[in-house]
Amino acid sequence: EPEVTQTPSHQVTQMGQEVILRCVPISNHLYFYWYRQILGQKVEFLVSFYNNEISEKSEIFDDQFSVERPDGSNFTLKIRSTKLEDSAMYFCASSREIQETQYFGPGTRLLVL
Amino acid sequence: RKEVEQDPGPFNVPEGATVAFNCTYSNSASQSFFWYRQDCRKEPKLLMSVYSSGNEDGRFTAQLNRASQYISLLIRDSKLSDSATYLCVVPTSGNTGKLIFGQGTTLQVKP
Repeated sequence: EPEVTQTPSHQVTQMGQEVILRCVPISNHLYFYWYRQILGQKVEFLVSFYNNEISEKSEIFDDQFSVERPDGSNFTLKIRSTKLEDSAMYFCASSREIQETQYFGPGTRLLVL
Repeated sequence: RKEVEQDPGPFNVPEGATVAFNCTYSNSASQSFFWYRQDCRKEPKLLMSVYSSGNEDGRFTAQLNRASQYISLLIRDSKLSDSATYLCVVPTSGNTGKLIFGQGTTLQVKP
């Protein structure tokens, strides 16, 4: 069964450093998403992406965040200058169509020290 | 009213019990709804989709009451493996795929 994959599974970084989280969505999916979950809190939407453009972004997704689909398979989330409050689990998701089920990757646990 | 609201629990039930979770949502324009399951420190996984009045899949039944903006999930004959957090998820009405998650209801099934 096809699945969304994410790397790395864990990332520890110093405050102010840049991080890139990588995702490989399911191959025939066209819509891509990033969500985050701070420990003990609910899953929060960050951004949706379709046809090489951001469709919607949340208030959390400020100028420090960017997304890219550098080739036909990868989908990345970059945080330019990490803050302590960026520590969270980051989930990538993809769907074939906009209203169809979103399938989530296993997540990257980011810890900012 | 919060966008998506759930009773966080925890619900502690014995094996074989029937348990029901409730969820309310604020956007009356929402057309589809989902229940996801999340195990500790894992990704959310789709349990059921709800597009009309309800849906049934084995021991799991989801019901939708649009007038009251309320969704429920019923689990019959609980198994130990049902222990998890159950997330009520509602897409926003904009055509961007954005999902709004409830805070989740934790279920612990005990032998």
